Amino acid sequence: DADVTQTPRNRITKTGKRIMLECSQTKGHDRMYWYRQDPGLGLRLIYYSFDVKDINKGEISDGYSVSRQAQAKFSLSLESAIPNQTALYFCATSDPTQEAGELFFGEGSRLTVL
Amino acid sequence: GQNIDQPTEMTATEGAIVQINCTYQTSGFNGLFWYQQHAGEAPTFLSYNVLDGLEEKGRFSSFLSRSKGYSYLLLKELQMKDSASYLCAVMDSNYQLIWGAGTKLIIKP
Repeated sequence: DADVTQTPRNRITKTGKRIMLECSQTKGHDRMYWYRQDPGLGLRLIYYSFDVKDINKGEISDGYSVSRQAQAKFSLSLESAIPNQTALYFCATSDPTQEAGELFFGEGSRLTVL
Repeated sequence: GQNIDQPTEMTATEGAIVQINCTYQTSGFNGLFWYQQHAGEAPTFLSYNVLDGLEEKGRFSSFLSRSKGYSYLLLKELQMKDSASYLCAVMDSNYQLIWGAGTKLIIKP
């Protein structure tokens, strides 16, 4: 089983619908992140959380919200989806005590908003 | 503004060597990362450089020059499975990762 699991893996929805993407991890990491990836662009950070009581906006948080339900769970919500939120979304975790503190990514959630 | 530049696409031959360059302009520097991402999959960590010089890890090596704002990823003895996108990312002074758009590497037999 993957250490960082995202659900759903694929979702097609309509403009105006509320969507939740869920992420759970078994790595025991405190830090969790949500990124989106669009063709021709670098990964862009939406929100991040350094522990259960800590939530921070990233560079593109408008139109999104998050919830950190537990150390292992971090969900991303689109309250009213719009077509330009069509993208590949990645959840990631990290452990800052490791030398590189590299990110461990989930398999991704491909969202299409019609 | 902060910027990471890397070539959009490169082509190389199986068994050969390829160098993927990355230049950066960021507010501060706390390390540079390379990730590999196969099409439709998650990025996976390849290397981390925080000091100048070359870090070697099997067929892959990564070089950093902080004074030049420059890094490269060197892939030797290319295999077909190395066909992927390679993402360069820099950690700035606020410990935020700034990502390049990635270099798509195509390996031909």
